[in-house]
Amino acid sequence: GAVVSQHPSWVICKSGTSVKIECRSLDFQATTMFWYRQFPKQSLMLMATSNEGSKATYEQGVEKDKFLINHASLTLSTLTVTSAHPEDSSFYICSGAIARGDTGELFFGEGSRLTVL
Amino acid sequence: AQSVTQLDSQVPVFEEAPVELRCNYSSSVSVYLFWYVQYPNQGLQLLLKYLSGSTLVKGINGFEAEFNKSQTSFHLRKPSVHISDTAEYFCAVSGVSLVFGKGTRLSVIA
Repeated sequence: GAVVSQHPSWVICKSGTSVKIECRSLDFQATTMFWYRQFPKQSLMLMATSNEGSKATYEQGVEKDKFLINHASLTLSTLTVTSAHPEDSSFYICSGAIARGDTGELFFGEGSRLTVL
Repeated sequence: AQSVTQLDSQVPVFEEAPVELRCNYSSSVSVYLFWYVQYPNQGLQLLLKYLSGSTLVKGINGFEAEFNKSQTSFHLRKPSVHISDTAEYFCAVSGVSLVFGKGTRLSVIA
């Protein structure tokens, strides 16, 4: 299957700083990227959907100014957690779809664990 | 809107015994159905998926699932589990986006 690489795998930061997580599709062009958040022992919650070259669509309750998503190319999407606070500590996972909005074939990154002190 | 219910949050089972992880979904439109496995501190790995065609779907690691439209179910089964199958398993349904169930932790006991 296609490969999606997330970086960093682990990040620890101080409260108030910003953290950028990168999601790269290595061997395919990801027209659509989905960003998920997973709290310990819980399921994945969709945060936002981004199509290459367009603004991301955020799910209800997700602060777009806090979680900045950029999808400037077909192989790279980034999630920036701005002014991070301890409650933002979570496991963030991206997934890419080849066809625009196609959820029939998604490829997931390895996830990034963010810990905010 | 789509939703997924995984009826069991935890399933302990002895090694080499069969297992079934239950999943029910609701949707007003045709859906795709998936099972993913997640090992600790890792991303998701696709086990199998149902898009169309045969209702019995075979996946990796000896897992299979059966799509039952009348019962709106997509239960995951394996005839004989191994210690290495210990992980969190997520059922998911797709529509506009991929919606996950809350997960079932499969614990295989030696």
